[in-house]
Amino acid sequence: ETGVTQTPRHLVMGMTNKKSLKCEQHLGHNAMYWYKQSAKKPLELMFVYSLEERVENNSVPSRFSPECPNSSHLFLHLHTLQPEDSALYLCASSQESLLAGASNEQFFGPGTRLTVL
Amino acid sequence: GESVGLHLPTLSVQEGDNSIINCAYSNSASDYFIWYKQESGKGPQFIIDIRSNMDKRQGQRVTVLLNKTVKHLSLQIAATQPGDSAVYFCAENEYYGQNFVFGPGTRLSVLP
Repeated sequence: ETGVTQTPRHLVMGMTNKKSLKCEQHLGHNAMYWYKQSAKKPLELMFVYSLEERVENNSVPSRFSPECPNSSHLFLHLHTLQPEDSALYLCASSQESLLAGASNEQFFGPGTRLTVL
Repeated sequence: GESVGLHLPTLSVQEGDNSIINCAYSNSASDYFIWYKQESGKGPQFIIDIRSNMDKRQGQRVTVLLNKTVKHLSLQIAATQPGDSAVYFCAENEYYGQNFVFGPGTRLSVLP
């Protein structure tokens, strides 16, 4: 257990559906991340939230919409997805620090395996 | 037809031997590096990190070597065990940055 949980673990949805992925971290961290891991590309950073403010949005299509209501919870809202969006979606958290020598280690959840039909 | 999936390089080692996994990075401004291990059905798990002011760092059974001149990172695993079988990723970012860039990964297979 890494202290980061994700639900659901598996999700199958049609292209017209709307669904949400949930992530919760129990580590007291101040930054949370969404990554996409597919068979075709290396792990890709999608969104970063630091202190509940979005700080990174790496050209992700608008059919993916993140939400960070507090420092412990992160959502990824999905709508009108495409089959190529099928992938493992990983959530991570870290404690961001400007102290010299501090670790920026990210703790990952187990992921949600998404299949878009 | 279907697109071809990402073909991960595979390293097969005998149980008890040492493993060396390599990673090349491209951003000369990167100064923080992490090695992650990902087992089947799980998210990546931190193994060891290193900052650019160091060229070597040791953990328990693992050593990371950094060569900034050629932008190369390696992970050495001593006395490889069956539980070490996984995909290993290197990740890089710039100092205080949050945007980690991950390599494609190497699959380590430990033979009995």
